[in-house]
Amino acid sequence: GENVEQHPSTLSVQEGDSAVIKCTYSDSASNYFPWYKQELGKRPQLIIDIRSNVGEKKDQRIAVTLNKTAKHFSLHITETQPEDSAVYFCAASKIGGYSTLTFGKGTMLLVSP
Amino acid sequence: EAQVTQNPRYLITVTGKKLTVTCSQNMNHEYMSWYRQDPGLGLRQIYYSMNVEVTDKGDVPEGYKVSRKEKRNFPLILESPSPNQTSLYFCASSSQPTARPHEQYFGPGTRLTVT
Repeated sequence: GENVEQHPSTLSVQEGDSAVIKCTYSDSASNYFPWYKQELGKRPQLIIDIRSNVGEKKDQRIAVTLNKTAKHFSLHITETQPEDSAVYFCAASKIGGYSTLTFGKGTMLLVSP
Repeated sequence: EAQVTQNPRYLITVTGKKLTVTCSQNMNHEYMSWYRQDPGLGLRQIYYSMNVEVTDKGDVPEGYKVSRKEKRNFPLILESPSPNQTSLYFCASSSQPTARPHEQYFGPGTRLTVT
C-alpha cells in the first residue's frame, strides 16, 4: 500500500517568513495530492490539492509543487501569519473509483508574531 | 447547511462496554470513512465505505466494526473497547470523482477515553 512520509514534524517561523513542508510517497500510481489544515481543536480542512499532471499550483499565499520522478511534493506558505499556525497534513491517493487517502503524520506549524 | 455530524463529541467509558459513535452526512456523498488521530501518528483510516452495504478495512481496523445501511449514516462500533482505543475519531465523507475527487469533509470529531 501507499506510504506517505512528512517532514518536519514541527516548524517554527517568524511572522512574514516562508514555511515549507515536504512529503514523499511510495506508490508511483498515486496521482492526487491534497493538503489539509487542522487548527487546534478543529477538524481537518482541505486547503489545496494537486494532480500529477500539474507541477505546481498556487492559491494566494500557498502553493504546492510536485516532482513525480522523485515522488515528492511540498507545501509552500509565503508571508506567514499567526493564523497560519496549525497542523498540516499531506496525503496521497489515486483518482478514479475510490482508493484510500493515505495521510502523512502531520507538521505542526507555529508562526510567532 | 452541508455538514458531517458525529455523536457523541466526548465519551468516557470503561473497558469492555460496547459503544457506538454515529456519523451522518447530508451531502448525498457515496464515500464515507472513519479515521483515528493520535499524537505523532497522524490520521489513520479505520474503515471506509464506497456505498450502501459496501465497506472495507482501512489501515487499523482491529477492534472496530462499521455498517452502512443507509447512504447518509456510517456508525462506528466498538464491541469491546480497550484503553488503546483511546483516541480522537473523525468521520469523513466525499463525493464521486469531481474536480476535487477525494476532498474529504470531516465531522467535528469524537474524543473517546477508555479506562
